[in-house]
Amino acid sequence: GNSVTQMEGPVTLSEEAFLTINCTYTATGYPSLFWYVQYPGEGLQLLLKATKADDKGSNKGFEATYRKETTSFHLEKGSVQVSDSAVYFCALSYMDTGRRALTFGSGTRLQVQP
Amino acid sequence: NAGVTQTPKFQVLKTGQSMTLQCAQDMNHNSMYWYRQDPGMGLRLIYYSASEGTTDKGEVPNGYNVSRLNKREFSLRLESAAPSQTSVYFCASSQQGAWNTEAFFGQGTRLTVV
Repeated sequence: GNSVTQMEGPVTLSEEAFLTINCTYTATGYPSLFWYVQYPGEGLQLLLKATKADDKGSNKGFEATYRKETTSFHLEKGSVQVSDSAVYFCALSYMDTGRRALTFGSGTRLQVQP
Repeated sequence: NAGVTQTPKFQVLKTGQSMTLQCAQDMNHNSMYWYRQDPGMGLRLIYYSASEGTTDKGEVPNGYNVSRLNKREFSLRLESAAPSQTSVYFCASSQQGAWNTEAFFGQGTRLTVV
């Protein structure tokens, strides 16, 4: 079946450190890949996406590249800020018997210290 | 821009009580979803509705029922609440047929069953 595996958290970094959150997936066909972010007390919101192999999604200094050969979509940021503290979810979207399905990883909590 | 609105935000139930979680979206989306979020397990799909008048089971449907009242509204009902249903519930919507577009989430309902 289709699934997403994320690195476990929490990830604790100092401000301006480099961030990588690993995400790998298992899927049949050609899914779209997403990173969602959840700030404390809020719902999920889209951070970035990539819809085909070798696409790079980017937003707010975050980047992730759709790597079909390694089935990965790792999230990176060159210099994190305290305001980036949140839970990050990797997700994939695919068509299942004509209907869209969206599968999430378990989430990775990021804590950025001043 | 309201987006996806969920009510209530918090609820405490006694075992065996029933309640309905309400969700409405104003983006004219065809598809709507109910997820539950539990620590370490990410988001799991309870039910979804690909279009008005249709509903389908997701990964964890037992103990829940849903109603797609119209295009805007999708409610989730717990007929006889159990402590295992203590969770944070999220409603989401997306444009069906566009499987590479984002899903929009409500702010969540934190439910505690005692």
